Amino acid sequence: DAKTTQPTSMDCAEGRAANLPCNHSTISGNEYVYWYRQIHSQGPQYIIHGLKNNETNEMASLIITEDRKSSTLILPHATLRDTAVYYCIVRARDDKIIFGKGTRLHILP
Amino acid sequence: DAGVTQSPTHLIKTRGQQVTLRCSPKSGHDTVSWYQQALGQGPQFIFQYYEEEERQRGNFPDRFSGHQFPNYSSELNVNALLLGDSALYLCASSYRTGAPGELFFGEGSRLTVL
Repeated sequence: DAKTTQPTSMDCAEGRAANLPCNHSTISGNEYVYWYRQIHSQGPQYIIHGLKNNETNEMASLIITEDRKSSTLILPHATLRDTAVYYCIVRARDDKIIFGKGTRLHILP
Repeated sequence: DAGVTQSPTHLIKTRGQQVTLRCSPKSGHDTVSWYQQALGQGPQFIFQYYEEEERQRGNFPDRFSGHQFPNYSSELNVNALLLGDSALYLCASSYRTGAPGELFFGEGSRLTVL
């Protein structure tokens, strides 16, 4: 079973920051937080991952709380192409990835 | 640099038949994982191959089997197909060792069982 809890769906206005929350209260010390997204009918796409420090790359920022029990994925300037299902996953090194139901993000024009 | 490639992209089979799906990992990757994604659901882990051996397995029956070749490519075989096997089958590749990084996914093989 997935170890994360995410809202079923969210809306965000185009050009605004999209903040996607994720709860992972049972995360272990050796587990990383990963975010993937899946645009309709395509394979999942890696976005970002982190252990305990906040991370930023060209796609997004990942904010992990100090107790590591929750995190937030931030898309700084959402576009219509960011409409997708976003999956938050916790995973130990070399372990399999277990997907939950994810959050369906709708970017509104 | 080619990413993860899967073939065929679409196929139709009938109940009871057998199917083989193929996956070539991203260049340099040595680990291949397979996922099944039913319509409207998240991907479900089937199994993972590394060094030509099955290393981890999800909750799938023995009708689902796989193989990894010396060049790291992989096959997924499903025997005695059921209607419920209709799904998008995804292959993902990664490095086994080193810093934990991302899995790269292919675009999938869409199987329809009639």
